[in-house]
Amino acid sequence: DTEVTQTPKHLVMGMTNKKSLKCEQHMGHRAMYWYKQKAKKPPELMFVYSYEKLSINESVPSRFSPECPNSSLLNLHLHALQPEDSALYLCASSLGASDQETQYFGPGTRLLVL
Amino acid sequence: DQQVKQNSPSLSVQEGRISILNCDYTNSMFDYFLWYKKYPAEGPTFLISISSIKDKNEDGRFTVFLNKSAKHLSLHIVPSQPGDSAVYFCAATSWGYSTLTFGKGTMLLVSP
Repeated sequence: DTEVTQTPKHLVMGMTNKKSLKCEQHMGHRAMYWYKQKAKKPPELMFVYSYEKLSINESVPSRFSPECPNSSLLNLHLHALQPEDSALYLCASSLGASDQETQYFGPGTRLLVL
Repeated sequence: DQQVKQNSPSLSVQEGRISILNCDYTNSMFDYFLWYKKYPAEGPTFLISISSIKDKNEDGRFTVFLNKSAKHLSLHIVPSQPGDSAVYFCAATSWGYSTLTFGKGTMLLVSP
């Protein structure tokens, strides 16, 4: 089983709203990732969690706030987003965060900021 | 500077024929390469990977070839099926890190 689940599938929010994206995996993976993908572009890495600790933040604006409550869950808290933040947000996980690990992606949350 | 390049934005192939998707890289620290398939508005699906210690890996209809001296890899799909129509991303990781560097993708269209 290589399933990563994400909720919600779609989200529309205003620029003053606060919302959260959720990601879950039950594969025993200890590394989890958030990516952002715009149309016709490859996924762009936002954050990496390794063993529930934030290990990489790719200079993401503070209006995006990740959280890893436990080894199976990863959240992305959104606040005061801009219309240009509209994108597909992808979660991924891998067994570890070191060498030659395969990342498995969830289906994504399509976010529209109005 | 793009470290992983997929120079063909699109490829059209007839059903039953071979599809060959190409990928070039510039970073000699890359040691693990992956191919993902992506349908619109869905997450990438892992297809196949290859370690830098190998030059070929096969899984069913999918074969990945790695030429380290040329810094080139290719994905062969034989026979191609209409359901293979999607965007294919090549990705790579460096020694000691799992973070992926993606190419820009190649859209494959397999026509009946």
